[in-house]
Amino acid sequence: SQQGEEDPQALSIQEGENATMNCSYKTSINNLQWYRQNSGRGLVHLILIRSNEREKHSGRLRVTLDTSKKSSSLLITASRAADTASYFCATSGGATNKLIFGTGTLLAVQP
Amino acid sequence: EAGVTQSPTHLIKTRGQQATLRCSPISGHTSVYWYQQALGLGLQFLLWYDEGEERNRGNFPPRFSGRQFPNYSSELNVNALELEDSALYLCASSLGRTSGVADTQYFGPGTRLTVL
Repeated sequence: SQQGEEDPQALSIQEGENATMNCSYKTSINNLQWYRQNSGRGLVHLILIRSNEREKHSGRLRVTLDTSKKSSSLLITASRAADTASYFCATSGGATNKLIFGTGTLLAVQP
Repeated sequence: EAGVTQSPTHLIKTRGQQATLRCSPISGHTSVYWYQQALGLGLQFLLWYDEGEERNRGNFPPRFSGRQFPNYSSELNVNALELEDSALYLCASSLGRTSGVADTQYFGPGTRLTVL
């Protein structure tokens, strides 16, 4: 079963605008990862944030993690048409290493 | 460096048949994971193999099985196929469970299984 819920389910913005996606989860975690998926293909890893970290940056990506609220956000700044994709958060905890995925946010960036 | 590879890209089977999907991890990775992405059900964990052993299994029937070979590649077998097995099957690899780091999982392009 899915653990994470993502909000919004879909987001449409203009090129150059910022896009923010939120993820909530239910149990304690070791880390949280964000992935991008283009048109039903494989997942591309974007960023991993550990449970003892609060914020992480990678290029135009900024991820925050609030373990007290069991939530994370992904900010994509200065979006491009090529950023159009589905974005998923995934958590792992305990010793199983399995990832539990959120429901995903479909981002459309209009040129 | 080559990423995770999967074969075949597409697979069409009929109900009751068996399907075999293959995955080669990134060089140096010993852990392989399988996930199912079915329409309406999202991404769900299937199996985790590390060092040739099954380490964890998701909530799937025994029809779903697999193995990991000495070269760390892996095979997913689905027996007695049902219509609802139609999905994108994704394989991921990471450093092994003894690596002591929070392991990033890197995904392959997937195998699209269609059951008619």
